[in-house]
Amino acid sequence: DGGITQSPKYLFRKEGQNVTLSCEQNLNHDAMYWYRQDPGQGLRLIYYSQIVNDFQKGDIAEGYSVSREKKESFPLTVTSAQKNPTAFYLCATADRDYNTGELFFGEGSRLTVL
Amino acid sequence: EDQVTQSPEALRLQEGESSSLNCSYTVSGLRGLFWYRQDPGKGPEFLFTLYSAGEEKEKERLKATLTKKESFLHITAPKPEDSATYLCAVRPLTGGGNKLTFGTGTQLKVEL
Repeated sequence: DGGITQSPKYLFRKEGQNVTLSCEQNLNHDAMYWYRQDPGQGLRLIYYSQIVNDFQKGDIAEGYSVSREKKESFPLTVTSAQKNPTAFYLCATADRDYNTGELFFGEGSRLTVL
Repeated sequence: EDQVTQSPEALRLQEGESSSLNCSYTVSGLRGLFWYRQDPGKGPEFLFTLYSAGEEKEKERLKATLTKKESFLHITAPKPEDSATYLCAVRPLTGGGNKLTFGTGTQLKVEL
């Protein structure tokens, strides 16, 4: 099955702990993205990567880190420096033809900080 | 700064009762406007891309239209399975990386 797999689907974390969210894709897409979704707010871009071993900050990168060592994988680490980490996190991919604007989204990971 | 405003925030329709969702946008130059559908607890699913004023796209009971300031998503004779949150997003002409600015969405509920 082609698609995007995010794990875990639900995650609970204590304050002060780092946590890593996984995103794997087999669509052979070059670009990958991490968005955060909060109630009453639009999706906000955290980080994105257009090619392996390269990534750029989005609008709300503070307190997050990423890596892109393989084309298929773009893990997101939510660090203890992120002041309000409880949210729904979405990973997305896009093919090289950016003009279509079509992002393919995973099922999301819901992080709750206790 | 690019902005996207969607209205209404929530809409309740009876099955078969047609209506429209609005997406107003402010962007320095528009490369594309996008509509997505999102079911509860799921990731958004792509519906349409519109590139220029006057353009229209259709898919089953949905039709998206675009003007220079806003886009409408028309829902004709909706069914309960059309219940979802509909998201609008814009991509500016400038800047790379396919960065989209999303609105907060319209939550649609279609009842029998």
